[in-house]
Amino acid sequence: ETGVTQSPTHLIKTRGQQVTLRCSSQSGHNTVSWYQQALGQGPQFIFQYYREEENGRGNFPPRFSGLQFPNYSSELNVNALELDDSALYLCASSLGGGDTQYFGPGTRLTVL
Amino acid sequence: QKEVEQNSGPLSVPEGAIASLNCTYSDRGSQSFFWYRQYSGKSPELIMFIYSNGDKEDGRFTAQLNKASQYVSLLIRDSQPSDSATYLCAVNPGSARQLTFGSGTQLTVLP
Repeated sequence: ETGVTQSPTHLIKTRGQQVTLRCSSQSGHNTVSWYQQALGQGPQFIFQYYREEENGRGNFPPRFSGLQFPNYSSELNVNALELDDSALYLCASSLGGGDTQYFGPGTRLTVL
Repeated sequence: QKEVEQNSGPLSVPEGAIASLNCTYSDRGSQSFFWYRQYSGKSPELIMFIYSNGDKEDGRFTAQLNKASQYVSLLIRDSQPSDSATYLCAVNPGSARQLTFGSGTQLTVLP
């Protein structure tokens, strides 16, 4: 157990809807990174938050947005859902931006 | 060319054998290297990290790094059926904050 939690575990949405995923980082960790993992692929970096500021972003469109709160928990918001957004969404927590990252259990999103 | 390349497998080894998993990366400035294990339907679990050239051992696992060849490997000694999983190689380039992952190698350990 890494101490990183994510909610919900599973989610089913329809195309065009909006979704919010949540992550609580491991105690003492101030950095949260979000990844998208499609079936059969490695995780792809979405963005990272360090002390409530975005600290790097991958090749994802602006409809993917996020927040980090003062307690270092984080949200990932996806607007205008598309079928290709169906994936496992992973949150990873670390102490500092370049440090070892520990993953939560993930949220499985299905877009119909 | 992908930034981090792994053989997708599947790789099958008999119980008790050594499993060898390989990974190459394209960014010469990469600073740190990680191996994660991912069971089907679960999230990645950190097994090893390595920063310096050479070998690093932790129990049955040995990570090997050769920066000149841009190559990192994971050896699993005395493989067990419980080691059957997908192994993900991840690289942290020095200039970036994120991890760049390979597509993973699926390992099956046969009883």
